[in-house]
Amino acid sequence: EADIYQTPRYLVIGTGKKITLECSQTMGHDKMYWYQQDPGMELHLIHYSYGVNSTEKGDLSSESTVSRIRTEHFPLTLESARPSHTSQYLCASSEWGQGGYGYTFGSGTRLTVV
Amino acid sequence: GESVGLHLPTLSVQEGDNSIINCAYSNSASDYFIWYKQESGKGPQFIIDIRSNMDKRQGQRVTVLLNKTVKHLSLQIAATQPGDSAVYFCAETFSGGSYIPTFGRGTSLIVHP
Repeated sequence: EADIYQTPRYLVIGTGKKITLECSQTMGHDKMYWYQQDPGMELHLIHYSYGVNSTEKGDLSSESTVSRIRTEHFPLTLESARPSHTSQYLCASSEWGQGGYGYTFGSGTRLTVV
Repeated sequence: GESVGLHLPTLSVQEGDNSIINCAYSNSASDYFIWYKQESGKGPQFIIDIRSNMDKRQGQRVTVLLNKTVKHLSLQIAATQPGDSAVYFCAETFSGGSYIPTFGRGTSLIVHP
């Protein structure tokens, strides 16, 4: 039973469009993350948050932005989508202080920009 | 920069065989390691973890071995089943830092009936 939800699961969108990928978790976790993943490749951290009103950029440079107005919600926005943004985007959350055991992933949003 | 990597991109085994998936890490300060399983169309799922003060940890049909001398991690799956077919990732974390894991490239495990 998934406790972290991502919508949409699949999205095909034209170049230049603005899109928001939704992520919500029901576990009350403080930390939330966005990863970008190409098929079979490692996960690249693009944004994370330690809690409400906290957002940080990750290791991978990204043209996306995030917000954390509520604990349970961590949306990712692309102001102007480009074909280079085509990828899978994974959202995750974890309990504070947990190295990984409390790390829960959503099922991902597969984005295609045409 | 520091990285976590996997030796083999694809591993094919017969159902019932034991599988061994390897991982090399390069940050000697990492002290917590996790294996994840990612099935097609899903997000990664926690399998087993190990702290650097341990050499071996066993779960249900899975064992993780840690060799800190050569910075090597392995995941052993006993009696591999078709349901084990997935991409497996190792990740390392340094508890003195941000606690955010660094993931390596996945290994695709294919189990033939």
